Amino acid sequence: AQSVTQPDIHITVSEGASLELRCNYSYGATPYLFWYVQSPGQGLQLLLKYFSGDTLVQGIKGFEAEFKRSQSSFNLRKPSVHWSDAAEYFCAVGLNTGGFKTIFGAGTRLFVKA
Amino acid sequence: KAGVTQTPRYLIKTRGQQVTLSCSPISGHRSVSWYQQTPGQGLQFLFEYFSETQRNKGNFPGRFSGRQFSNSRSEMNVSTLELGDSALYLCASSLVGQEETQYFGPGTRLLVL
Repeated sequence: AQSVTQPDIHITVSEGASLELRCNYSYGATPYLFWYVQSPGQGLQLLLKYFSGDTLVQGIKGFEAEFKRSQSSFNLRKPSVHWSDAAEYFCAVGLNTGGFKTIFGAGTRLFVKA
Repeated sequence: KAGVTQTPRYLIKTRGQQVTLSCSPISGHRSVSWYQQTPGQGLQFLFEYFSETQRNKGNFPGRFSGRQFSNSRSEMNVSTLELGDSALYLCASSLVGQEETQYFGPGTRLLVL
């Protein structure tokens, strides 16, 4: 069965420090891969997506992610975190099976220390 | 362009009642998906509609149903509500041929007492 694992339930980072959020997926082929962000009381906002091509993907808000097929990973990174980045981050797998379906990881809550 | 709108934003129901939630997609978007978000189960796919047809369905009991109208607006219905149905219900819309790029609404927060 397809699955997405985010091993870190929460992470605390100092403002200005770098960030890496981990994500591993389980699927037979390379699916669509996504990172979404959700601020309190808000819906989900797409940060970036990957399906093919360059394995380093640039997204909005200064985020990037790297796809590593050998590790089935799609980790999210940001070189310098801002206090406004505090939110919950979801890694997701998208599957096109005659209709589209997205499977989400459990999420990682990011706390930013001043 | 207006984003995805969901109504109502907040709702309180009691066990055994039924509820209908509404989603209006972004203009021109014809694919609509629904998700349930709970602290215990996280974000789970409910179903996806396109051209008034359900194309994909998640692992939810038959109490959860949905439909899509000719103007692409969608509703989901939950009958015989249970306490565990308390959740944030998110709707997302996308363009034909770009279903992987989903735009999410703010959600409807349902509390079942």
